[in-house]
Amino acid sequence: EAQVTQNPRYLITVTGKKLTVTCSQNMNHEYMSWYRQDPGLGLRQIYYSMNVEVTDKGDVPEGYKVSRKEKRNFPLILESPSPNQTSLYFCASSFVLGSTDTQYFGPGTRLTVL
Amino acid sequence: AQSVTQPDIHITVSEGASLELRCNYSYGATPYLFWYVQSPGQGLQLLLKYFSGDTLVQGIKGFEAEFKRSQSSFNLRKPSVHWSDAAEYFCAVGANYGGATNKLIFGTGTLLAVQP
Repeated sequence: EAQVTQNPRYLITVTGKKLTVTCSQNMNHEYMSWYRQDPGLGLRQIYYSMNVEVTDKGDVPEGYKVSRKEKRNFPLILESPSPNQTSLYFCASSFVLGSTDTQYFGPGTRLTVL
Repeated sequence: AQSVTQPDIHITVSEGASLELRCNYSYGATPYLFWYVQSPGQGLQLLLKYFSGDTLVQGIKGFEAEFKRSQSSFNLRKPSVHWSDAAEYFCAVGANYGGATNKLIFGTGTLLAVQP
């Protein structure tokens, strides 16, 4: 089944404790992206990747890191999480670069930073 | 700057009634427009999309949307709502900065409640 998977689905952590949220897609997509969803703000892009070893900042990259060492995986790293990073995070992927291509979303990771 | 506005934060309709969710966009070029649905605890599922051509677009689950360039709108409609349609709906515009990114710019969402 074609899908985007994220782990963990739920995470509660404390300020400053490094964490990684994994994202994996099995559709051989080149383009992957991370969004965060906050009430009243919709979804905002954090980082995106156009292909292996090619990443760039989105609208709200502060406090986050990403890497793209393999085509299928695009982990989101919070080196020192803070409470303002409490949010619902979505990974997305699409086959090619370009606004006409449909992006497929993972199920989301709900992160709480205490 | 590109933006998407969904004026209705929360809408309640009766099962079997018709539905229209509003979406207005601001984008300098030809917009690529999407509607996604998010069921509780789920990710986002694409309902439909508009790139060009016929301004009335058919999607899954009986939804349709009409692109009106003169009004900068892309409203989502369904003639008869089912209880399973209760979810949050997001309108989005695809921002393509010369091919550098295919970021989606989302509206803030409309939460749909369906009453029996």
